[in-house]
Amino acid sequence: QKEVEQDPGPLSVPEGAIVSLNCTYSNSAFQYFMWYRQYSRKGPELLMYTYSSGNKEDGRFTAQVDKSSKYISLFIRDSQPSDSATYLCAMSARAAGNKLTFGGGTRVLVKP
Amino acid sequence: NAGVMQNPRHLVRRRGQEARLRCSPMKGHSHVYWYRQLPEEGLKFMVYLQKENIIDESGMPKERFSAEFPKEGPSILRIQQVVRGDSAAYFCASSSQEGGPTDTQYFGPGTRLTVL
Repeated sequence: QKEVEQDPGPLSVPEGAIVSLNCTYSNSAFQYFMWYRQYSRKGPELLMYTYSSGNKEDGRFTAQVDKSSKYISLFIRDSQPSDSATYLCAMSARAAGNKLTFGGGTRVLVKP
Repeated sequence: NAGVMQNPRHLVRRRGQEARLRCSPMKGHSHVYWYRQLPEEGLKFMVYLQKENIIDESGMPKERFSAEFPKEGPSILRIQQVVRGDSAAYFCASSSQEGGPTDTQYFGPGTRLTVL
């Protein structure tokens, strides 16, 4: 079983819809949670960073962490065709230093 | 302000040859990380380096792979005697001097290695 599970998709939504993405994980030591966006044949770009449980909002993006359920989510409001990309969740544990553990990524397609 | 730079962007090698991948961190960053992304998979941590030191190499294959980050110049990921299974995208990331778990890792564009 992978440490971080993420549905590969693809997830297809119409423009303007809410995109809902999530990851589950098994390592209870994870404390730092990130979402990266990766366009085809490009490097990952950090979107959101959250420490421990709770919600964080930044523009059209909202990240949620539920440590009790080992479940994290990313919501994208008012989705645009330019949001079409692969979204990767990543997490780390203080004891593991700077090593990021990634989910496999969810491919999102926003149709105009 | 230049981001993380990687070269070459594409590298083709025949089985048994050596591959050298280079990474220049963002200005002011002294922590470098290498990740590998196999087709249709997420990124897998390989190694974490500071200048002249390997801090964590728990994700590096035991044979054929090595990494360095010299006092001067870019970080180098070296793969000796490449095999077809080494074909992947290799990403480098860098973070600030503090290098703690809360430090954002900024990724480069990657080097796509193809082994024929």
